[in-house]
Amino acid sequence: DIQMTQSPSAMSASVGDRVTITCRASQGVSNFLAWFQQKPGKAPRRLIYAVFSLQSGVPSRFSGSGSGTEFTLTISSLQPEDFATYYCLQHNAYPYTFGQGTKLEI
Amino acid sequence: QVQLQESGPGLVKPSETLSLTCAVSGVSISSSHWWTWVRQPPGKGLEWIGEIYHSGTTNYNPSLKSRLTISVDKSKSQFSLKLISVTAADTAVYYCAAVGLGAPPFDYWGQGTLVTVSS
Repeated sequence: DIQMTQSPSAMSASVGDRVTITCRASQGVSNFLAWFQQKPGKAPRRLIYAVFSLQSGVPSRFSGSGSGTEFTLTISSLQPEDFATYYCLQHNAYPYTFGQGTKLEI
Repeated sequence: QVQLQESGPGLVKPSETLSLTCAVSGVSISSSHWWTWVRQPPGKGLEWIGEIYHSGTTNYNPSLKSRLTISVDKSKSQFSLKLISVTAADTAVYYCAAVGLGAPPFDYWGQGTLVTVSS
C-alpha cells in the first residue's frame, strides 16, 4: 500500500493567516493526488484534484502544489469557515489511501 | 446530480455480519461510475474500503478483502456492502461515494451512517 503521511497532524492558526499542509507519499503517485475538507458530522468535500486543480465552487484562497511524492495544500488567508480537518488522498494505485488528517483549529 | 443514501442497521453484534445499502438516484447505476465505500472510525481518519462497477468488477482494500463483499443491484439502483465477522474495530461511519470513470475522485458522497459493533 502507498502510505500518505500528512504534517502537521494538528495546528492552530488565526483568521487571515497563511497555512500550509504537507502530504508525503511513500512512493510516487503521479498527479493522482486530491485534497478534501471535512467538518464535524459531514462527509468530506473535495477541494483540489490532480495536485493543483481547484474544484468548481472552491474559493481561490485554496491552492495545491507538488509532484512525485511531496504535495502541499495552501490556504492563503484563513477564513472562519476554513477551520476543519483536511485530508490528502492518493488514487494512483489500489488501495486508495488517505493521509491521517490535519485538524486546523482556531 | 448524483444522490446517494446509505441505509442499514446502526448496531451489529461482534462476529456477525455488517450489511449496508446505498441507494443511487439522479443517475443510472449503469452509468460510468465506480460505486465506492469509505469508512471513518469515530475521531479517526478515512479508510477506502472498496468499489464496484455496474459490470460487477470490484476492487477491494486488501486489509478487508477476506471479509468483504460489495455487490450491485441494477433493478433497485443500489449497491451494497457486506462485512463478515465484525469486531469493535469495524465501528465507524460508513460512507458511500461515487467516482466517475476517469474523473477526479469522490465527486459525490452519501451523508454517512454510523455502525457500532457491540454486544
